[in-house]
Amino acid sequence: AQSVTQPDIHITVSEGASLELRCNYSYGATPYLFWYVQSPGQGLQLLLKYFSGDTLVQGIKGFEAEFKRSQSSFNLRKPSVHWSDAAEYFCAVGGLTGGGNKLTFGTGTQLKVEL
Amino acid sequence: DTGVSQNPRHKITKRGQNVTFRCDPISEHNRLYWYRQTLGQGPEFLTYFQNEAQLEKSRLLSDRFSAERPKGSFSTLEIQRTEQGDSAMYLCASSWRDEKLFFGSGTQLSVL
Repeated sequence: AQSVTQPDIHITVSEGASLELRCNYSYGATPYLFWYVQSPGQGLQLLLKYFSGDTLVQGIKGFEAEFKRSQSSFNLRKPSVHWSDAAEYFCAVGGLTGGGNKLTFGTGTQLKVEL
Repeated sequence: DTGVSQNPRHKITKRGQNVTFRCDPISEHNRLYWYRQTLGQGPEFLTYFQNEAQLEKSRLLSDRFSAERPKGSFSTLEIQRTEQGDSAMYLCASSWRDEKLFFGSGTQLSVL
């Protein structure tokens, strides 16, 4: 069965510092990988996705993620964090079943940004 | 594009009562998904529709849960004989085929 592990429940960074959120997945075939962000009272918003091709994926809001098959990882990075990035971040894996958007999510990482 | 709309935003009910939630997807989207999110967890897949056809249901979806999408437009999720364990945020999302998935803000259910 597919699964996603986000080992960090909470992360605190200073504004302007770099950020890396970890994600490890388990999937039997070539996965579709996603990062979503959820702010209080807001719906989940897609930051970026990986289906195939270039393993470094660029997303919205200055985020990027790198797919490493050998490590079963899809870590999210941002070179300089802004206070508005404070939110909960979810990594997710999907595949060919469920129309491609049947996703298995991790438990999330809550990001706090110190000013 | 007005986004995915869910109603109500909050629902408080007593154990044993039936509740129904509504989701209006983005109008041109043919796929509609329901997810459930409990505190401290990521969303869990419940079911999805392609147009009016319900193509897959999770084993999480007990017989007390039923979802419909008449005419391939809006969808309803009904929970019969609610239990305290049903308390969660119910999220609806829609997409055009495998394209980007858009989520609504959810319906927060509290079962007392």
